Amino acid sequence: ETGVTQSPTHLIKTRGQQVTLRCSSQSGHNTVSWYQQALGQGPQFIFQYYREEENGRGNFPPRFSGLQFPNYSSELNVNALELDDSALYLCASSLGEDQPQHFGDGTRLSIL
Amino acid sequence: EDQVTQSPEALRLQEGESSSLNCSYTVSGLRGLFWYRQDPGKGPEFLFTLYSAGEEKEKERLKATLTKKESFLHITAPKPEDSATYLCAVQARTNAGKSTFGDGTTLTVKP
Repeated sequence: ETGVTQSPTHLIKTRGQQVTLRCSSQSGHNTVSWYQQALGQGPQFIFQYYREEENGRGNFPPRFSGLQFPNYSSELNVNALELDDSALYLCASSLGEDQPQHFGDGTRLSIL
Repeated sequence: EDQVTQSPEALRLQEGESSSLNCSYTVSGLRGLFWYRQDPGKGPEFLFTLYSAGEEKEKERLKATLTKKESFLHITAPKPEDSATYLCAVQARTNAGKSTFGDGTTLTVKP
C-alpha cells in the first residue's frame, strides 16, 4: 500500500512569485485535505477536496487555490507569495471527509 | 468558532513514568476527535478516533478517553521511542471536512 507522497520536499521562492505543490493520495482514498503548519504550531486547515470538488475551506485568502484530479491526486497553488506563507504544507488523504487522515511528510516552503 | 487547546505544551518524563496529556475543545456538535503523533520532519500519524463521550481506545502504551469538553491521552510506562509531538484535532458536524488542530504537546521520554 503506497502512502501519501508530496513534492517537492523543499522549495525556496521570493515574494510575489507563484508556487504549485503536489500530492499523491494513498491508494483508494478519494478525499484530500491541505494544511499549513508554522513552526511550533498545529496544522491549519486550508481546504478539502472530495471527488474533485472543494468540500470545505478554512480562513485562507483566495490566492490559495487547489485542484483534485480524477486519480484523486491534488495540487495546491499559492499566488502572490508573502513572507508569512513560509511554512510546512501538509497533504492528507482519507476514505471520506470525516475519516482518519493519512499525512504526507510535507513540503517545506521558504519565502525570501 | 471551533477551538482546541492542548496542555501542557511540553512534558518531560523518565522512562516508565506514566502521565496524561489533555485536549480541551469547543465545537458546535462534535463529529469526531482525532489524536495524531508527529515526529520531527514528518507528517502526523493517525492514532485514534473518538466519537462520543465515554468512549475509550487503546493501542500499546496509549489510551485515549473522551468527555463532552475534553480528551485525555494516557501514556503508561512510556519508552524513549514514545517521544514525539502529540496532536489533537476535532471535526464539527456542521463544518464538512474541516479539522481544527491544537498546537500539540511535545513529549520527551528520558531513558
